[in-house]
Amino acid sequence: DSGVTQTPKHLITATGQRVTLRCSPRSGDLSVYWYQQSLDQGLQFLIQYYNGEERAKGNILERFSAQQFPDLHSELNLSSLELGDSALYFCASSVGTGTNEKLFFGSGTQLSVL
Amino acid sequence: DQQVKQNSPSLSVQEGRISILNCDYTNSMFDYFLWYKKYPAEGPTFLISISSIKDKNEDGRFTVFLNKSAKHLSLHIVPSQPGDSAVYFCAARRVRQGAQKLVFGQGTRLTINP
Repeated sequence: DSGVTQTPKHLITATGQRVTLRCSPRSGDLSVYWYQQSLDQGLQFLIQYYNGEERAKGNILERFSAQQFPDLHSELNLSSLELGDSALYFCASSVGTGTNEKLFFGSGTQLSVL
Repeated sequence: DQQVKQNSPSLSVQEGRISILNCDYTNSMFDYFLWYKKYPAEGPTFLISISSIKDKNEDGRFTVFLNKSAKHLSLHIVPSQPGDSAVYFCAARRVRQGAQKLVFGQGTRLTINP
């Protein structure tokens, strides 16, 4: 158990809909990362928050947004969903910086857009 | 442009033998490399890393080899055990950069046969 909690584990929805994925980092970790893993693809970095502030952005679509709350949990909002958004979405929290930064991943949310 | 590539989607090895997982990268600026292991319904977990000042790093049954001139790294597991059956991701970044710069390969599914 990594200590990172993601809910829900599975989500099935239709095109055009909006969903929210939730992540609770490990106790004490200030940094939260979101990744997308599409079929046969590596993990693609979407966005990072640190202590409530956006720290870095990766390949995140404009239809997607995220936030980190004062209690450090984070939510990833996906809107106007398309079939291609079907993927496994991981959240990770981290400890340390630079070379010593280590990621701890949640078990992911499997999103299916029908 | 896939900067980190794992060209073998799957690998099957007999229990007790050596498993060799390969990874190639194209960005010569990468100087820190990691391997993650992922079981079904779980998030990736850190396995072993190597910086470019070394050409080998060993941790128990796991050894990572780095060939900078070929931009190639490999993970050796000796001896392979049934519990090693998982998806293995190779990842790379620059040593001083944080995890938001981590680039992942597509993963290799390793199956250890009894």
